[in-house]
Amino acid sequence: ETGVTQTPRHLVMGMTNKKSLKCEQHLGHNAMYWYKQSAKKPLELMFVYNFKEQTENNSVPSRFSPECPNSSHLFLHLHTLQPEDSALYLCASSQDYSRRGSPLHFGNGTRLTVT
Amino acid sequence: AQRVTQPEKLLSVFKGAPVELKCNYSYSGSPELFWYVQYSRQRLQLLLRHISRESIKGFTADLNKGETSFHLKKPFAQEEDSAMYYCAVQGAQKLVFGQGTRLTINP
Repeated sequence: ETGVTQTPRHLVMGMTNKKSLKCEQHLGHNAMYWYKQSAKKPLELMFVYNFKEQTENNSVPSRFSPECPNSSHLFLHLHTLQPEDSALYLCASSQDYSRRGSPLHFGNGTRLTVT
Repeated sequence: AQRVTQPEKLLSVFKGAPVELKCNYSYSGSPELFWYVQYSRQRLQLLLRHISRESIKGFTADLNKGETSFHLKKPFAQEEDSAMYYCAVQGAQKLVFGQGTRLTINP
């Protein structure tokens, strides 16, 4: 499969649960991103990994924990979330975070609902 | 800090009419500018970028440094252009998105 794949597509979790979102890219890219998309807010950058090293943490609460074991895989570990964390979480990849003009390729997202 | 403003949340035009989606940005240096599009039930994808000076699906966007704008234009709208459009600005590295404009093309 080509492109950026995210699993699961939908996730419902309680505030005391622990879950993980997964992202995989088959484009040979070196940068991977997590974005949060809420209703009434622009896309918010959460984390960036470039060549497996975290290069951006956009003041994200510690209840969100990213992991990038290699350039093709990215995880977002979730624990003790709040209802306001309900949103669409988008994964993206690009050739290289430091290369300006390099477009992002997005996955379909995981729709997260925190109850 | 970078900021992107898309003043219209919703825009509705008739098929065949011209379309202009507005985008204004703030950034002290020379940014890279993009338009991304999300069609119904599809993923967010790149439409065009300033650096390529390209026209995609009949859309063009001109950078106006004086007005710090990067408006997206198409002379004759088609029904398949109905989608959510996001303007994005890249400074040194970080890509910042606007809030998006939902474009509806009426038959």
